[in-house]
Amino acid sequence: DAGVIQSPRHEVTEMGQEVTLRCKPISGHDYLFWYRQTMMRGLELLIYFNNNVPIDDSGMPEDRFSAKMPNASFSTLKIQPSEPRDSAVYFCASSLAFGQGPQPQHFGDGTRLSIL
Amino acid sequence: QKEVEQDPGPLSVPEGAIVSLNCTYSNSAFQYFMWYRQYSRKGPELLMYTYSSGNKEDGRFTAQVDKSSKYISLFIRDSQPSDSATYLCAMSYAGGTSYGKLTFGQGTILTVHP
Repeated sequence: DAGVIQSPRHEVTEMGQEVTLRCKPISGHDYLFWYRQTMMRGLELLIYFNNNVPIDDSGMPEDRFSAKMPNASFSTLKIQPSEPRDSAVYFCASSLAFGQGPQPQHFGDGTRLSIL
Repeated sequence: QKEVEQDPGPLSVPEGAIVSLNCTYSNSAFQYFMWYRQYSRKGPELLMYTYSSGNKEDGRFTAQVDKSSKYISLFIRDSQPSDSATYLCAMSYAGGTSYGKLTFGQGTILTVHP
């Protein structure tokens, strides 16, 4: 089975440009999560979706960040305009519906974003 | 104060050593406890998953949860160079609006040298 697929793997762009990160979750998974990882702050949850509906976006740092999930097999995280402090590794993860407890989250290999 | 505290290390041990990794937390509402392993330039992968207090063993790995002390541990026996990675603890509530959200520790960088 294919895992969570993220693209691009690396992105280098100049401050002020729009950045779009993409994620394809594991087929059949109901939940999709976007995380950001930095040395200073570790792994932080930005937003998560259940059945394509955003459930909690309290981790989204600013209005410059937006996320969408137009269907069960695709999600985007957009930063506009980008700033150097947005430089980080962005991970997408997906999981099955929660039963008695949260289900294991399966992570993609991340997008390494550098804003110059 | 962070909800989950984890010593980032780095931790360096010789092959065959017993490794102890730990996290403390402040919110007693956490009920589900996990350990993820992250290799360099890869996403985290689930290693161990426990509910409430107690021990769980899987091969060379043992996870312990002490809810009274708000303290969780991961032990690795007979450590191997292939265990070299960053280990992240993660916790989740049992219900409410935050159900299913994971709060991660900072991660501990482990190196096992031959």
